[in-house]
Amino acid sequence: DVKVTQSSRYLVKRTGEKVFLECVQDMDHENMFWYRQDPGLGLRLIYFSYDVKMKEKGDIPEGYSVSREKKERFSLILESASTNQTSMYLCASSLLEYGYTFGSGTRLTVV
Amino acid sequence: GENVEQHPSTLSVQEGDSAVIKCTYSDSASNYFPWYKQELGKGPQLIIDIRSNVGEKKDQRIAVTLNKTAKHFSLHITETQPEDSAVYFCADLNDYKLSFGAGTTVTVRA
Repeated sequence: DVKVTQSSRYLVKRTGEKVFLECVQDMDHENMFWYRQDPGLGLRLIYFSYDVKMKEKGDIPEGYSVSREKKERFSLILESASTNQTSMYLCASSLLEYGYTFGSGTRLTVV
Repeated sequence: GENVEQHPSTLSVQEGDSAVIKCTYSDSASNYFPWYKQELGKGPQLIIDIRSNVGEKKDQRIAVTLNKTAKHFSLHITETQPEDSAVYFCADLNDYKLSFGAGTTVTVRA
């Protein structure tokens, strides 16, 4: 089974801090995605990547950036954390356009 | 998600009864429709999916139907059990990306 691992289950950060959320997948998938999940809004796509060094904006990229230096690792960066970025963050990977596998999520609280 | 509407937002059913969740999409080019189940403290897991060349697909107690003309698809869970309690998300594939519905919280009453 494909495993997608997110480095932290829970994080508490202060407003203005630079925050890194890490995601690693172990099945050589080309595609990786970052979503945020908020009650009543479902999952919204922040950024995605189809290959190493590639990145594309999703539906809500403002306030975020990403890095994909290696195929298995996709990092989400909050340049200056704000309270409205308190959320559950989910990473996913896929080999083709089907069959996303999600990590367990990182619940980020910005105080 | 922007392109997918999901109803209802909450659903409470008696154990043994059926549960139905409905989604509509807007882009006629969408051709893949997965359903995900998210249990507490876990990421979403794919439970069933359907492609646009198929009208219905069944896997044990779970079935999905697709009406391309009306642009809607539904998840049917029969003989519900307590372990079916979870949040369910529908999604559609658009331009190689999945767009998700807002989710349905299903509670199965014993």
